[in-house]
Amino acid sequence: SQKIEQNSEALNIQEGKTATLTCNYTNYSPAYLQWYRQDPGRGPVFLLLIRENEKEKRKERLKVTFDTTLKQSLFHITASQPADSATYLCALAPYAGNMLTFGGGTRLMVKP
Amino acid sequence: KAGVTQTPRYLIKTRGQQVTLSCSPISGHRSVSWYQQTPGQGLQFLFEYFSETQRNKGNFPGRFSGRQFSNSRSEMNVSTLELGDSALYLCASSSIAGTGSGNTIYFGEGSWLTVV
Repeated sequence: SQKIEQNSEALNIQEGKTATLTCNYTNYSPAYLQWYRQDPGRGPVFLLLIRENEKEKRKERLKVTFDTTLKQSLFHITASQPADSATYLCALAPYAGNMLTFGGGTRLMVKP
Repeated sequence: KAGVTQTPRYLIKTRGQQVTLSCSPISGHRSVSWYQQTPGQGLQFLFEYFSETQRNKGNFPGRFSGRQFSNSRSEMNVSTLELGDSALYLCASSSIAGTGSGNTIYFGEGSWLTVV
């Protein structure tokens, strides 16, 4: 069955450093992969999308890589700020339909 | 433009009762999906509707159902509520049905359901 794994433990980093979050998957050939941010009690907010034929995508301080051979995506936040503290979710999407399969999320804590 | 709107925001129901949750997608969006989020299982796909037709369904019992209206608004219903149905129910909308082209999916703030 499909399985998506993210670091289940919280990631604590110092302000200004780069946060790197990992998303690994098995038994899935996604058309694309998305990263979302979720704050407590709120719905997920879309951050970045990367297609299966793309290796890297950037948006401001965010960077995502996608390795379909390793079945892994890395999500980087450079120059991290306390306001970046949240849970980050990766989600895989099929070729047809909007049925996203989510990982369990990684909680990021950026300390000032 | 307005985002995805879900109502009610919070509700408490008793075991055995039924509940209906409502979702208004972003204007112009025709695809609406529903997800259940719990601490133990995370975010899980319930079903997706496009142009009033259910396109995909997740692995949930038949007590969970949904529908979409001609104006793209959607409702989901859970009958014979169980304690384990306590969760955050999230609605998401998208402009197209998803063809692998990478359309953005926007989530609402969710409806918090507590079953006692």
